[in-house]
Amino acid sequence: GENVEQHPSTLSVQEGDSAVIKCTYSDSASNYFPWYKQELGKRPQLIIDIRSNVGEKKDQRIAVTLNKTAKHFSLHITETQPEDSAVYFCAASMNSGYALNFGKGTSLLVTP
Amino acid sequence: NAGVTQTPKFRILKIGQSMTLQCTQDMNHNYMYWYRQDPGMGLKLIYYSVGAGITDKGEVPNGYNVSRSTTEDFPLRLELAAPSQTSVYFCASSDSYNQPQHFGDGTRLSIL
Repeated sequence: GENVEQHPSTLSVQEGDSAVIKCTYSDSASNYFPWYKQELGKRPQLIIDIRSNVGEKKDQRIAVTLNKTAKHFSLHITETQPEDSAVYFCAASMNSGYALNFGKGTSLLVTP
Repeated sequence: NAGVTQTPKFRILKIGQSMTLQCTQDMNHNYMYWYRQDPGMGLKLIYYSVGAGITDKGEVPNGYNVSRSTTEDFPLRLELAAPSQTSVYFCASSDSYNQPQHFGDGTRLSIL
């Protein structure tokens, strides 16, 4: 399948700081980019998504930016809280349009 | 609405045994997916379906089979269990392509 690379694999920040997670993708036909949060032992849950006709989207403390030319997109979490601690996955739609390619995840730890 | 329901939640199999992982959704979604998640890795697509009677292979289909006789149900069959199939299996559904995927709670499968 097409590759989605995600960095960093682990990220530790202090409460109140910002966290940024970056992903790159290889398929120029990808046009849908969701982000999922997965707490330990739980299901992945969608936190925000962006489509290729939009460069930035924001939902309260969470924002996602997309650079289609460079084929990368990023998740920004501001004013982090301990409950933001989880594994975050980026994904990009496959060229078939039917499914997603996921990154390997970023383990975010927010310390009080 | 229950969303996406997976059974069983946990299972231990012996090498060579067979089993079916059940997945049902009550959102009337056309698209359904099976992923496996290995430790420290992202989600890898096993099979997906775009509607009743239509299924297709994902990135890692070997050793698995699926069927989709109804909109609601999308079972995953392991015919001859192997240790390499030890993983957490997630079922997901979406209304259409490039739409948010809703995940079940997962099935934790160990093959010994």
